[in-house]
Amino acid sequence: NAGVMQNPRHLVRRRGQEARLRCSPMKGHSHVYWYRQLPEEGLKFMVYLQKENIIDESGMPKERFSAEFPKEGPSILRIQQVVRGDSAAYFCASSLPGATNEKLFFGSGTQLSVL
Amino acid sequence: GQQLNQSPQSMFIQEGEDVSMNCTSSSIFNTWLWYKQDPGEGPVLLIALYKAGELTSNGRLTAQFGITRKDSFLNISASIPSDVGIYFCAGRPSGTYKYIFGTGTRLKVLA
Repeated sequence: NAGVMQNPRHLVRRRGQEARLRCSPMKGHSHVYWYRQLPEEGLKFMVYLQKENIIDESGMPKERFSAEFPKEGPSILRIQQVVRGDSAAYFCASSLPGATNEKLFFGSGTQLSVL
Repeated sequence: GQQLNQSPQSMFIQEGEDVSMNCTSSSIFNTWLWYKQDPGEGPVLLIALYKAGELTSNGRLTAQFGITRKDSFLNISASIPSDVGIYFCAGRPSGTYKYIFGTGTRLKVLA
């Protein structure tokens, strides 16, 4: 039973390039959360998606950042025209539908480094 | 962005000692989750709490959902060296879908 899979584990980009981070949720999970973590800090919420729908994107920067979770395939967090300040660890988590006893399971993250 | 107040920020303890940490918020929460994160890895879920007053154990770990629904604590009994890491609380404010994370408690165990 595979857990949440994120790839790549490490991504290096030059300023101005695009970064695409992928997240495959656990089997049967249809909810995905994306978080960002800077060194020595906690996780900051970015976006919450269900299949084909963005439910809450209140933590996403207004520009350059976008997320999707298509009917088929992994969830994608896309960062256009990256800047050095985008360097961080990006984690996704998945959960089963139903809010009563929800549990979030995290992947190992993607460490983005912008040169 | 919004964060929970988690304390202590860090602690050094002797192996075998008990550890206690807590999170507080100004908002009412519907769910509390406790995680442990090792360097370079994602958070691993330790305990989940869903009702005010709920007390749940997982081995040497015990966590409680505060009666006011604005706080939660995690206890670790008889600590061992592999307990080293960063512990995070995460809560889901009432009326929202997102989970807010605490600032973390860095635990170091001295053998």
